[in-house]
Amino acid sequence: DVKVTQSSRYLVKRTGEKVFLECVQDMDHENMFWYRQDPGLGLRLIYFSYDVKMKEKGDIPEGYSVSREKKERFSLILESASTNQTSMYLCASSLAGDYGYTFGSGTRLTIV
Amino acid sequence: QKEVEQNSGPLSVPEGAIASLNCTYSDRGSQSFFWYRQYSGKSPELIMFIYSNGDKEDGRFTAQLNKASQYVSLLIRDSQPSDSATYLCAVLMNTGFQKLVFGTGTRLLVSP
Repeated sequence: DVKVTQSSRYLVKRTGEKVFLECVQDMDHENMFWYRQDPGLGLRLIYFSYDVKMKEKGDIPEGYSVSREKKERFSLILESASTNQTSMYLCASSLAGDYGYTFGSGTRLTIV
Repeated sequence: QKEVEQNSGPLSVPEGAIASLNCTYSDRGSQSFFWYRQYSGKSPELIMFIYSNGDKEDGRFTAQLNKASQYVSLLIRDSQPSDSATYLCAVLMNTGFQKLVFGTGTRLLVSP
């Protein structure tokens, strides 16, 4: 089975901090994605990457950046954390869209 | 119009009944459709995918696709309390980079 691992299950950070969320997949998938999920708003795509060092903005990229230096690792960076970035963050990977996405277990991030 | 629409629910059914979950989508060129189950506090888990018009069965689950009506549904037979979760419909959009667009999900409650 494909495994997508997110480094932290729960994280509490302070306003203004630079926050790194890490995601690693073990099945040589080309595509990786970062979503945030909020009640009533569903899953919203922040950034995605279809190859090493390639990145594309999703629907809500403001306040975030990403890094993909190796195929298996996709990092989400909150440049200066704000309270409105408190959310569940989900990483996903896929071989191709036709096969659907496999999600990591999620990181519940709280900004105080 | 939202790209993928679902009724938020909750949909309440008694144990043993058939639960019917529905989803409509806007992109007529979409070819691949997915159903994810998400338990409270957990990440989405892929349970079904369908590419062709008609029905696809897997155990107690049946996915139904009608491309002419831009409609996809998920039937759960012999519903169990353990099926209580939010069910997310996802559609692979046929524009630009093919990525999944998720509905906001339907919450299903199965009462004993």
